[in-house]
Amino acid sequence: EAGVTQFPSHSVIEKGQTVTLRCDPISGHDNLYWYRRVMGKEIKFLLHFVKESKQDESGMPNNRFLAERTGGTYSTLKVQPAELEDSGVYFCASSQASGTSGRDEQFFGPGTRLTVL
Amino acid sequence: AQKVTQAQTEISVVEKEDVTLDCVYETRDTTYYLFWYKQPPSGELVFLIRRNSFDEQNEISGRYSWNFQKSTSSFNFTITASQVVDSAVYFCALSEFIDAGKSTFGDGTTLTVKP
Repeated sequence: EAGVTQFPSHSVIEKGQTVTLRCDPISGHDNLYWYRRVMGKEIKFLLHFVKESKQDESGMPNNRFLAERTGGTYSTLKVQPAELEDSGVYFCASSQASGTSGRDEQFFGPGTRLTVL
Repeated sequence: AQKVTQAQTEISVVEKEDVTLDCVYETRDTTYYLFWYKQPPSGELVFLIRRNSFDEQNEISGRYSWNFQKSTSSFNFTITASQVVDSAVYFCALSEFIDAGKSTFGDGTTLTVKP
């Protein structure tokens, strides 16, 4: 079974440009999460999709970040325009069920390393 | 607000030594989940364990063991007889009980096991 995949693995862009990160969750997983690790600090929650709906986007830093999950399959995270402080590693995770029921172990992707110059 | 503190930024041990990674957490919730993840040099986050707050039983899985002490809000991770392949960044995380996927992570501890 394929794991969570993310594309690209690395992205180097200039300040002011736009970048779109993609995450393909494990097939059948309704829950999809985005996290990021900035400057070697803690990994911070960005948002949570349940199928195509945004369940919780309290961690999104500002309106330069836009996440979508059309059709409830893969998700994209667009940063427009990118700023220097957006540099970091962006992780995606998926799980089969949320909360206390079912197998809600999270499976993480390899991350996308974003560098904004 | 939830907070996870991993006071050890970096640890270096020699192979076959035992090593304990500390994790202290803060939460106002009475029920919650605690996790440990491993991030090897390849970059992905590998799930190691999840504990819920009402189960304080310690757990052992091979060379790995976890000590959950609710009284001190700690969830420490011990690797027995460490190996070079254990070298990685280890993250402790805490999540709400209602949404186990929304986790608060610590800064991570970089473990280096030397041959």
